Amino acid sequence: DAGVIQSPRHEVTEMGQEVTLRCKPISGHDYLFWYRQTMMRGLELLIYFNNNVPIDDSGMPEDRFSAKMPNASFSTLKIQPSEPRDSAVYFCASTPYPGSYNEQFFGPGTRLTVL
Amino acid sequence: AQTVTQSQPEMSVQEAETVTLSCTYDTSENNYYLFWYKQPPSRQMILVIRQEAYKQQNATENRFSVNFQKAAKSFSLKISDSQLGDTAMYFCAFMKRQGAQKLVFGQGTRLTINP
Repeated sequence: DAGVIQSPRHEVTEMGQEVTLRCKPISGHDYLFWYRQTMMRGLELLIYFNNNVPIDDSGMPEDRFSAKMPNASFSTLKIQPSEPRDSAVYFCASTPYPGSYNEQFFGPGTRLTVL
Repeated sequence: AQTVTQSQPEMSVQEAETVTLSCTYDTSENNYYLFWYKQPPSRQMILVIRQEAYKQQNATENRFSVNFQKAAKSFSLKISDSQLGDTAMYFCAFMKRQGAQKLVFGQGTRLTINP
């Protein structure tokens, strides 16, 4: 099992550019989560999907952020236009189902720097 | 809304010592899960241990154990015989058992194990 895969691992872009982060969950996992980690706000949930359907996007900071899950094996988080305050580490996580333990398996994260 | 508080931003101990990390949380829920995640310098989020609120017995995983005090809403992590590889950020997290599959994280404790 390859685990949750995220790409790119690092992204440096200039303010105003579009940024797309990618995630491949563990095969068979029905839930997919996007988290953002910053020094100021810590780890916060942005959005999560169940069976490719967005369930809760209340953590998405503003309209510049959008997330999609076109199929069970792929999700994107897009920022357009990007701003310096979007600089953070973005994690994707997946879990098979809301079972007794609910462990979320995290990807390695994408470090985004917006200049 | 649930909140998780880790009151120790940083801790440092010598190798082989025992160390306890504190975590308190606030919730009106009766059924929930609590987790400790480890984030080493590699940035990967790794589940250390989990506790189900309806279980009175404290969870243990090898050198890691918790002291779960439901009435006090306290969930501390004890690391016995600490090793250099335990050096990492440690996050306490909360999840409701029913409904939204949201992990709510504390701000983290940076633990350094010195040789």
